[in-house]
Amino acid sequence: NAGVMQNPRHLVRRRGQEARLRCSPMKGHSHVYWYRQLPEEGLKFMVYLQKENIIDESGMPKERFSAEFPKEGPSILRIQQVVRGDSAAYFCASSPGQGQELFFGEGSRLTVL
Amino acid sequence: QKEVEQNSGPLSVPEGAIASLNCTYSDRGSQSFFWYRQYSGKSPELIMSIYSNGDKEDGRFTAQLNKASQYVSLLIRDSQPSDSATYLCAVNAGYSTLTFGKGTMLLVSP
Repeated sequence: NAGVMQNPRHLVRRRGQEARLRCSPMKGHSHVYWYRQLPEEGLKFMVYLQKENIIDESGMPKERFSAEFPKEGPSILRIQQVVRGDSAAYFCASSPGQGQELFFGEGSRLTVL
Repeated sequence: QKEVEQNSGPLSVPEGAIASLNCTYSDRGSQSFFWYRQYSGKSPELIMSIYSNGDKEDGRFTAQLNKASQYVSLLIRDSQPSDSATYLCAVNAGYSTLTFGKGTMLLVSP
């Protein structure tokens, strides 16, 4: 499958636990974006990364959230000490270059109990 | 703040009709425009991209861009029930990210 791969597809966490979401971009793409979507709301940009670099994290909450895209391996979105308000669908997308069309993965749906 | 506005709908059209979806954006420097389709519980899927003023056709879909008026539209001809979904407009102003509208829900009735 040459598409954007995200895992896990569904994740349940209790308040205070950590959530780690992983994303492997489409083959040949080095630009990775994370978006969050709440029910009945649009896609909200969180962070844009290239290999080993955070390019734009203007949409990322200042606390508890972090992202990385190491030289080897998938991009990871990490949410520490989750709260119920973090329950959402988290979509990863990749593109062949900056400003070009994004291709989305199937998403990771986080539920915080 | 860059904004992308869409009517939330739902937009209801009968099967075989033309569906017209509209989007306005606030940043005059926007350069790239995209339409995505999202089925309920699924991820957004790219339908069309348009970069210059005018029309761009792809099968039953036509994207229209008017930079002077800051709007972009999507026409779906011969609408089918399988076209029922939420359509997201996305705009890139040459910065690093796409800004999405909240989407318009389209319902095509048999």
